[in-house]
Amino acid sequence: AQKVTQAQTEISVVEKEDVTLDCVYETRDTTYYLFWYKQPPSGELVFLIRRNSFDEQNEISGRYSWNFQKSTSSFNFTITASQVVDSAVYFCALRGDSSYKLIFGSGTRLLVRP
Amino acid sequence: DGGITQSPKYLFRKEGQNVTLSCEQNLNHDAMYWYRQDPGQGLRLIYYSQIVNDFQKGDIAEGYSVSREKKESFPLTVTSAQKNPTAFYLCASTLTGTEEDTQYFGPGTRLTVL
Repeated sequence: AQKVTQAQTEISVVEKEDVTLDCVYETRDTTYYLFWYKQPPSGELVFLIRRNSFDEQNEISGRYSWNFQKSTSSFNFTITASQVVDSAVYFCALRGDSSYKLIFGSGTRLLVRP
Repeated sequence: DGGITQSPKYLFRKEGQNVTLSCEQNLNHDAMYWYRQDPGQGLRLIYYSQIVNDFQKGDIAEGYSVSREKKESFPLTVTSAQKNPTAFYLCASTLTGTEEDTQYFGPGTRLTVL
């Protein structure tokens, strides 16, 4: 069975604070892919990052960074110096190599207050 | 511009009526997907199609039907058998058989049953 858990339902921070969104996954596949998407109030899901299970390098893209740790089955997402425009729901997702299905977590709602 | 379009953006339906949601993509993607999102929840897979004239049920296919007569189009019909159809519906597409299998999403259709 495959599962994605985002334990933080909602996070509220003040602008310029750093914030980390947690994602824990379960899969029996040895090869799998992890994703993060952003869903702003408009509703469209915006792709942020894709990570293969065999590539454990952390990645940084501007204010965004991702920490992939196979040992703890986690793929956490950090926003540095948060901005009001970062306010959205963020989804972590998993696809195992044995399936075409993308399994989503329940999402974390981030509110960045001015 | 390449992308995924969904129409209409908002849809109202009376109980007992069938309604069809449109999804079109000009990305030359092979696979297309339909998801349902309920308030405060993640996405659940309704149907998916890897190639033209072929599709498979997802986790919550009851009360829905699809067709895939063209590569670019994957319409979803919400039938009167769907007991609780009010939700946000998202369409996605992806290439298959390559490393670039990220699902990209359309803007969504919000369906309300009156």
